[in-house]
Amino acid sequence: KAGVTQTPRYLIKTRGQQVTLSCSPISGHRSVSWYQQTPGQGLQFLFEYFSETQRNKGNFPGRFSGRQFSNSRSEMNVSTLELGDSALYLCASSLAARNTEAFFGQGTRLTVV
Amino acid sequence: AQRVTQPEKLLSVFKGAPVELKCNYSYSGSPELFWYVQYSRQRLQLLLRHISRESIKGFTADLNKGETSFHLKKPFAQEEDSAMYYCALIRAGGGADGLTFGKGTHLIIQP
Repeated sequence: KAGVTQTPRYLIKTRGQQVTLSCSPISGHRSVSWYQQTPGQGLQFLFEYFSETQRNKGNFPGRFSGRQFSNSRSEMNVSTLELGDSALYLCASSLAARNTEAFFGQGTRLTVV
Repeated sequence: AQRVTQPEKLLSVFKGAPVELKCNYSYSGSPELFWYVQYSRQRLQLLLRHISRESIKGFTADLNKGETSFHLKKPFAQEEDSAMYYCALIRAGGGADGLTFGKGTHLIIQP
């Protein structure tokens, strides 16, 4: 069974631009969560989607948004990029909304210059 | 607010020696605790969860609610155990804040 797939793997953007990251969960998994990983803050929860609905959201500004499609694939969007948004963005999928065993993708490394 | 603390950023032990990676948490409700591991150039993966009460790759972890700890232990370290280890918690049944992770401990097993 294929694992969680994130695209692209690497991205370089300029301050003020916007970016969209993609996550394809494991087949059959309906819950997708996003995390930001930085050296200073570690892994921080961004949001979780289940059946195309945002269930939970972490403490991030409104510039960070996401969505989930009917096939459970998810996208994350960051608008008006700031230098501090440079990070590894990880996506994790779970079988169901209350199943907490998360399977992680390899991440998208975003660099904002 | 919930918090997970891993006091050691780096832990180096010799092969065959016992290993203990510390994890302390603060949470007002009933949490589920996990250990995740990330081997070099691999993705983050679940190692074990406290509700399973199982041993994975020789590792065990016991939830101590009195001390709010969930330390990871292995009696005899192997070189292949070298990796980043993250302790994490979530509200039992799934939480509004997703998984809360500690900052991680880099475990190095010396030959």
